[in-house]
Amino acid sequence: AQSVTQLDSQVPVFEEAPVELRCNYSSSVSVYLFWYVQYPNQGLQLLLKYLSGSTLVKGINGFEAEFNKSQTSFHLRKPSVHISDTAEYFCAVSDHTGKLIFGQGTTLQVKP
Amino acid sequence: DVKVTQSSRYLVKRTGEKVFLECVQDMDHENMFWYRQDPGLGLRLIYFSYDVKMKEKGDIPEGYSVSREKKERFSLILESASTNQTSMYLCASSTKRDSPDTQYFGPGTRLTVL
Repeated sequence: AQSVTQLDSQVPVFEEAPVELRCNYSSSVSVYLFWYVQYPNQGLQLLLKYLSGSTLVKGINGFEAEFNKSQTSFHLRKPSVHISDTAEYFCAVSDHTGKLIFGQGTTLQVKP
Repeated sequence: DVKVTQSSRYLVKRTGEKVFLECVQDMDHENMFWYRQDPGLGLRLIYFSYDVKMKEKGDIPEGYSVSREKKERFSLILESASTNQTSMYLCASSTKRDSPDTQYFGPGTRLTVL
């Protein structure tokens, strides 16, 4: 069975500082990995995804993530955050069926 | 742009009522999903559908049923609402079966059961 663990429930950071949101997964089959963002009072939208190919994936709003198969991780990074990045971030894993298994979520709080 | 709409942003119902949550997508997607979102638990899959009149149970189907009579519409039904079903409900759609593709989400319905 697949599962996803987001190691931090909340990450406070000052504006313009770098940030890393951690995600580890477990799966016995080929995996496809996603990061979604949820702004207050909105649905989820895709930040980036890894399906195959290069292990460094670039997404919207300056975010990127690296697929590390040996460490079963897919950490999300941004070199300099803005106030507008304050949101909840979800890591998710899928198998070939397209069903998603989500992590618990990480709240990113960007302080001025 | 893909658009997924949900019939209500906020709903308040009483224990024992039958509740319908509606979801419509406008991109001819084959797959549709219903999740509930609770703090600290992330999103959990309730039911999904790969085709009209087809449904499959997700991880937490108890107390829920679904209906998909048309390709664009996927309804979640709470036969007899209970207070432990107070939650945020999110609908999503994606292009085709057996494809690990992006899911597109609606804005959510926050349901309160009193």
